[in-house]
Amino acid sequence: TQLLEQSPQFLSIQEGENLTVYCNSSSVFSSLQWYRQEPGEGPVLLVTVVTGGEVKKLKRLTFQFGDARKDSSLHITAAQPGDTGLYLCAGDGGSNYKLTFGKGTLLTVNP
Amino acid sequence: DADVTQTPRNRITKTGKRIMLECSQTKGHDRMYWYRQDPGLGLRLIYYSFDVKDINKGEISDGYSVSRQAQAKFSLSLESAIPNQTALYFCATSDTGTYNEQFFGPGTRLTVL
Repeated sequence: TQLLEQSPQFLSIQEGENLTVYCNSSSVFSSLQWYRQEPGEGPVLLVTVVTGGEVKKLKRLTFQFGDARKDSSLHITAAQPGDTGLYLCAGDGGSNYKLTFGKGTLLTVNP
Repeated sequence: DADVTQTPRNRITKTGKRIMLECSQTKGHDRMYWYRQDPGLGLRLIYYSFDVKDINKGEISDGYSVSRQAQAKFSLSLESAIPNQTALYFCATSDTGTYNEQFFGPGTRLTVL
């Protein structure tokens, strides 16, 4: 069974601060995705990383896939209240077309 | 209009009742999924379907059944609802060959009393 562990589980910061959240596994994934979920809504895909060591940027968000494709990180620069939400990572093991989801990091950015 | 829609958005029911949650999509994707989300447990896969004739159990299928009526429609049924099925339920779709990237509906909040 593939598992993805996300840390921290909860994070509360002030507007303008930087933060990093992590997604770790002992399993190798063919790709890894990050989603953001706001209250009362479904998760929305932010990015997919595929190659070991890959770095992708989405405005103030930087996503990195580990060299061994077992872990990933999400760094947010100068966080804003609009970044508040539940951040989920999900891995595609490649063999059965299902995703394994982490339990998420609940981020609160205070004005 | 939303690409993935779910009805109802909220439902309160009683133990033992049969409940059907419906999902429709206009994305033209072949693959559809049902998840439930519980605090502290994350998203867990109930059933998934890769096409109209293909239905597969997920990690927590007991107490649930599904029907794929068409490429665009995937329904989840609780035959006899029980309180521990109180949760947020999400339908999702994905396209073949896109790293299984998923597009979620807005969710159904189900409460079983």
